Amino acid sequence: GQQLNQSPQSMFIQEGEDVSMNCTSSSIFNTWLWYKQDPGEGPVLLIALYKAGELTSNGRLTAQFGITRKDSFLNISASIPSDVGIYFCAGQGPNYGGSQGNLIFGKGTKLSVKP
Amino acid sequence: DVKVTQSSRYLVKRTGEKVFLECVQDMDHENMFWYRQDPGLGLRLIYFSYDVKMKEKGDIPEGYSVSREKKERFSLILESASTNQTSMYLCASSLLVRVSPLHFGNGTRLTVT
Repeated sequence: GQQLNQSPQSMFIQEGEDVSMNCTSSSIFNTWLWYKQDPGEGPVLLIALYKAGELTSNGRLTAQFGITRKDSFLNISASIPSDVGIYFCAGQGPNYGGSQGNLIFGKGTKLSVKP
Repeated sequence: DVKVTQSSRYLVKRTGEKVFLECVQDMDHENMFWYRQDPGLGLRLIYFSYDVKMKEKGDIPEGYSVSREKKERFSLILESASTNQTSMYLCASSLLVRVSPLHFGNGTRLTVT
């Protein structure tokens, strides 16, 4: 079946640094979604991408839908302490049957503050 | 804003107990989902439903069942809880359109002892 590789698994940030993470798929996706999960909370949608090549921003966050339709990246500029959490990518393949049962999640990138 | 509410944030149950996890959404979404989240394994789909009384198995349905008697409510049932079902359970909902994102509840952390 489809696989999603998200990297890095974890990273440490210092306030003010830019952060980058990405997801790659073994097959084509029609939709890429990026979520953030704070400790003890459910994931919250950050950005949704629907077209190959699309570049979308949400404040200091920018995400792109790769032109091959097999990858996506998320950048956070000028990180702040409240950016810590787990970031998930999710992709939806072309065999969408109206029920979204084929939304696939990456395993997450854990952002922590540099000690 | 869409609100997905899970009835309990924390639950502790004993092995063999029947456990009900309840989820309600207030935006008239057709789709509802149950995931479990475990360290290193990410989110795994247990069951989903795209209409009242309809249900579909996800990737890991064994040991679980679901009920969707009303559009806004989706229940996850552990018929006989086991320790390997200790996990964070996340409910989500979405519109029944091609590219509608999921909206998640805050999760229920279940411990089975």
